Amino acid sequence: ETGVTQTPRHLVMGMTNKKSLKCEQHLGHNAMYWYKQSAKKPLELMFVYNFKEQTENNSVPSRFSPECPNSSHLFLHLHTLQPEDSALYLCASSQDFTNSGNTIYFGEGSWLTVV
Amino acid sequence: AQKVTQAQTEISVVEKEDVTLDCVYETRDTTYYLFWYKQPPSGELVFLIRRNSFDEQNEISGRYSWNFQKSTSSFNFTITASQVVDSAVYFCALSEADYGQNFVFGPGTRLSVLP
Repeated sequence: ETGVTQTPRHLVMGMTNKKSLKCEQHLGHNAMYWYKQSAKKPLELMFVYNFKEQTENNSVPSRFSPECPNSSHLFLHLHTLQPEDSALYLCASSQDFTNSGNTIYFGEGSWLTVV
Repeated sequence: AQKVTQAQTEISVVEKEDVTLDCVYETRDTTYYLFWYKQPPSGELVFLIRRNSFDEQNEISGRYSWNFQKSTSSFNFTITASQVVDSAVYFCALSEADYGQNFVFGPGTRLSVLP
């Protein structure tokens, strides 16, 4: 069983829909991340929460809205997305964002297609 | 500036061949960490190894080995006697002490092991 689980694994949504991606980590970590992986682009860090506080927001459009109710759960709320937002969205966790030596552990990802 | 280069976009080998995946990094920091991850078709990034900048010892784990050379800023990954299950995209990543866990990922190398 993976330490970081994401649901749904696959999502197809229209541009006017509202949906959410969910992530849960079972590793006792304090930092959680959302990454975006598009075809032929490097992994992009979107958001970081450390001890439930958002510490990084890498100029992500407001149509992506993160939520971190506790250290084990992370959501990504999606609203009025564009087709170019179709990508693999990866959730990850680590012990503490401020320690650059910690290993980041990833979930299996949510494949999102915007039609 | 941080930068990670994986010059090999795609590699194809026949099963049982040895293969080396190259990773070259740039950093001005004296304290940093290097990582390798494997991404099979399912999507999850699987952690393989972490190395800190003060430990240049090479490491071997089964069929996997890593060669860290600070003099050439390289952290290469070798798979011995490759197997079809090794087919995946492999990412090298860098994190610097001053940037927390704001990993910089390389573009990845797609390895195909043919039967």
